[in-house]
Amino acid sequence: TQLLEQSPQFLSIQEGENLTVYCNSSSVFSSLQWYRQEPGEGPVLLVTVVTGGEVKKLKRLTFQFGDARKDSSLHITAAQPGDTGLYLCAGAHAGGTSYGKLTFGQGTILTVHP
Amino acid sequence: DSGVTQTPKHLITATGQRVTLRCSPRSGDLSVYWYQQSLDQGLQFLIQYYNGEERAKGNILERFSAQQFPDLHSELNLSSLELGDSALYFCASSPRTITGELFFGEGSRLTVL
Repeated sequence: TQLLEQSPQFLSIQEGENLTVYCNSSSVFSSLQWYRQEPGEGPVLLVTVVTGGEVKKLKRLTFQFGDARKDSSLHITAAQPGDTGLYLCAGAHAGGTSYGKLTFGQGTILTVHP
Repeated sequence: DSGVTQTPKHLITATGQRVTLRCSPRSGDLSVYWYQQSLDQGLQFLIQYYNGEERAKGNILERFSAQQFPDLHSELNLSSLELGDSALYFCASSPRTITGELFFGEGSRLTVL
């Protein structure tokens, strides 16, 4: 079983602070995705990183895929209350019978206080 | 709006009962996935269907079954329900891409009393 460990599990910060969420595994993934989930809703895809060392930016969010494609990080600059939610990383298996099967991390619950 | 529709949104039932959850994937998506989300287990993959055929199986109990119909909608059947089956059940669909991106519905919240 390929496991993804996210840290921290909980993060409570003030508006304007920066934060980083980590997603680590001992396994290699073909790609890694980050989702954000708000209460009462399903996870929504934020970004997919495919290439080792890849960095993607989405406004104040910066996503990085580790060189060995085993880990990833999500950095938020100047967090806002609207960033509050559950952040999930998910590793994608390359193909075969596991195609499309995503392994999800346990998630990081982020709360940004005004 | 992800384009994935799940019904019902909320369901309350008693132990021992059987329920059916329904999912309509995004237009054009052939794959449907079912996930269970609970506080202690996180998001757990249950089963995947592709164009009507079972494609992959995860941590799905024998009391649970699913199918995908010719019109590509899917149903997840949960029987002999136990208190521990209370959870959010998500359906997701995807196009056939190498990255396996998923588009989730809003979920069905099942409460077993």
